[in-house]
Amino acid sequence: NAGVTQTPKFRILKIGQSMTLQCAQDMNHNYMYWYRQDPGMGLKLIYYSVGAGITDKGEVPNGYNVSRSTTEDFPLRLELAAPSQTSVYFCAIATGARETQYFGPGTRLLVL
Amino acid sequence: EDQVTQSPEALRLQEGESSSLNCSYTVSGLRGLFWYRQDPGKGPEFLFTLYSAGEEKEKERLKATLTKKESFLHITAPKPEDSATYLCAVQSTSGTYKYIFGTGTRLKVLA
Repeated sequence: NAGVTQTPKFRILKIGQSMTLQCAQDMNHNYMYWYRQDPGMGLKLIYYSVGAGITDKGEVPNGYNVSRSTTEDFPLRLELAAPSQTSVYFCAIATGARETQYFGPGTRLLVL
Repeated sequence: EDQVTQSPEALRLQEGESSSLNCSYTVSGLRGLFWYRQDPGKGPEFLFTLYSAGEEKEKERLKATLTKKESFLHITAPKPEDSATYLCAVQSTSGTYKYIFGTGTRLKVLA
C-alpha cells in the first residue's frame, strides 16, 4: 500500500469512547489525507495536511481531530464516538497538491 | 457544485467480454481525473491519472480515456482477476486539495 500503514485494522467502540486511528508513511511525502468510506457512498475527505504542523478541514470534519507533528505520522482522533462514525477510514499520501494520492489499507471502525 | 457520477453501479461480464465503465464529472475546472481499483477489504489502488481532454492511458487490459465531460475505463478481454470496484475521482482547479470521488462501479468477471 505505497508505504502507508494504518493501525488498527479493525476496532469496535462503544458510544462515547475515544480512540486514535494511526497513519504512518515512510515515503517522506508532505501531503497526507484522511477519508471515510461508507457503503454506497464515495470517499469523503475528513482532514488533510500539507506538511508537519499544518492541517485543515475537509468535507466532513465534525467529530474528528488531527495533528501532524512529524512528516511521517498523521493520527486521526475520535473524541466521543457515535454510531454515525461507523465506517472504513483510509489514510492517503501525495507528494503535492496536484499529485496522485496513494492509499493505505484502511481501518474498519464499528461504533455500538 | 463539483460532482462525479459513475455508471453502471454494477457490471457482470463473462471472461473475455469487453466493456466500458463511465465516469461523468462536473467541475469548474479540471486539474486531474484519477482511476483507482479497490478490492474488498483493501484500500484503493492507483491505476491512472488523466489531465486533459483527449488523453489516454493503458495498462494491461485497461485503457482510460478522457473528454471534457467524462472518462471511460475500457476493459478488453477481462479475466476473473479483474473483478473489483473501480473508483473515479476528480480534482478541480478551484483551489482546494480534495478529490471528489464517485461511488464506484462493482465489476464481476465470470470464468
